[in-house]
Amino acid sequence: AQSVTQLGSHVSVSEGALVLLRCNYSSSVPPYLFWYVQYPNQGLQLLLKYTTGATLVKGINGFEAEFKKSETSFHLTKPSAHMSDAAEYFCAVSEGGSNYQLIWGAGTKLIIKP
Amino acid sequence: DTAVSQTPKYLVTQMGNDKSIKCEQNLGHDTMYWYKQDSKKFLKIMFSYNNKELIINETVPNRFSPKSPDKAHLNLHINSLELGDSAVYFCASSQAGGAEAFFGQGTRLTVV
Repeated sequence: AQSVTQLGSHVSVSEGALVLLRCNYSSSVPPYLFWYVQYPNQGLQLLLKYTTGATLVKGINGFEAEFKKSETSFHLTKPSAHMSDAAEYFCAVSEGGSNYQLIWGAGTKLIIKP
Repeated sequence: DTAVSQTPKYLVTQMGNDKSIKCEQNLGHDTMYWYKQDSKKFLKIMFSYNNKELIINETVPNRFSPKSPDKAHLNLHINSLELGDSAVYFCASSQAGGAEAFFGQGTRLTVV
């Protein structure tokens, strides 16, 4: 069965520092992987996704993630945090094809310190 | 032009009432979903419809009933509301199974 683990329910970084949000998954087939962001009182917005091809994926707002099959990981990074990055971040996995369900991580709240 | 729109955005109601939340998508997607997000931000899928057919029906009380009049609409009707139903409900759609989902802005339901 698929599952997603996000390490750390809260991550706090200083403005300008590196952002690293961790996501590990389990899947019996090559997965599709996603990162979403949720700003306060808003819906979820897709940051980036991996389906096939290049394992380093670039997304919006300067975020990127790397699919590492050997580590079953899809960690999200940004070189320099900005105050506007403060939000909840969700990792999700699906098996694609006829599977209609995304499996979600529990979310990580990113806190930016001035 | 909003891709996935749901109404109302806020809904405050008393226990025992019946209420509906409407959702429409103009992306031409085949699959639509309802999610519940609790106070700890945990996302739980409730239902999934593909071309008006129920695909996923997770363990939710029978008081929750989805209705899909066409593939662009998926409404959620809730009977006999309880305090524990208070949450944010999100509608979403996707082009194909397992593809990325596009979310509405959410409906914050408060049962008093």
